[in-house]
Amino acid sequence: DVVLTQTPVSLLISLGGQASISCRSSQSLVHSNGNTYLHWYLQKPGQSPQLLIYQVSNRFSGIPDRFSGSGSGTDFTLKISRVEPEDLGVYYCLQRTHNPWTFGGGTKLELK
Amino acid sequence: EVQLVESGGGLVQPGRSMKLSCAASGFTFSNYGMAWVRQAPKKGLEWVAYISYDGGSTYYRDPVKGRFTISRDNAKSTLYLQMDSLRSEDTATYYCTTAYYWGQGVMVTVSS
Repeated sequence: DVVLTQTPVSLLISLGGQASISCRSSQSLVHSNGNTYLHWYLQKPGQSPQLLIYQVSNRFSGIPDRFSGSGSGTDFTLKISRVEPEDLGVYYCLQRTHNPWTFGGGTKLELK
Repeated sequence: EVQLVESGGGLVQPGRSMKLSCAASGFTFSNYGMAWVRQAPKKGLEWVAYISYDGGSTYYRDPVKGRFTISRDNAKSTLYLQMDSLRSEDTATYYCTTAYYWGQGVMVTVSS
């Protein structure tokens, strides 16, 4: 199975600050069709996960441009600029290029 | 508006069975592969099973192979997860998801 290593495990950020989360894969996430199915989610306390970024760098509907995704192959990054209170929660990366789907271990974003 | 509504959870004894349902609306259900993802209390996200858009292909994580069965009824826009021989380690909130949209989750507790 593909292993996604997500770092850091937790982040303490001031309001208005910037956060960066890394997701590294044990193998390339480029599908045979040329697409890379690496997504980013935020799970707020008591809620189901919500999609932020799909296929590495595409913001999902309604997601502000403070969120950006980048990377290729095995190394991916989620950046959150101008952190707001509603950004707090646990962030996960997911790969669905290979079966089984696998998630990163999560990064908890908290306010400093 | 896309909606995924899970039902069928609750408390069940070890070794018994339970069937989860997920009613989909707001999109063309028959065009999308679907998955079940679970989250044990205070833990991260774990993919459980996947079914292709037409039901022709299914995949399972190893610990549930032979015990869980994912299925779908495209005429009813409904996804199912039949869970047999349940174990305490299956205790979790179960989400149905397209990877883009998620349901609110349903809690399954396996305990005597």
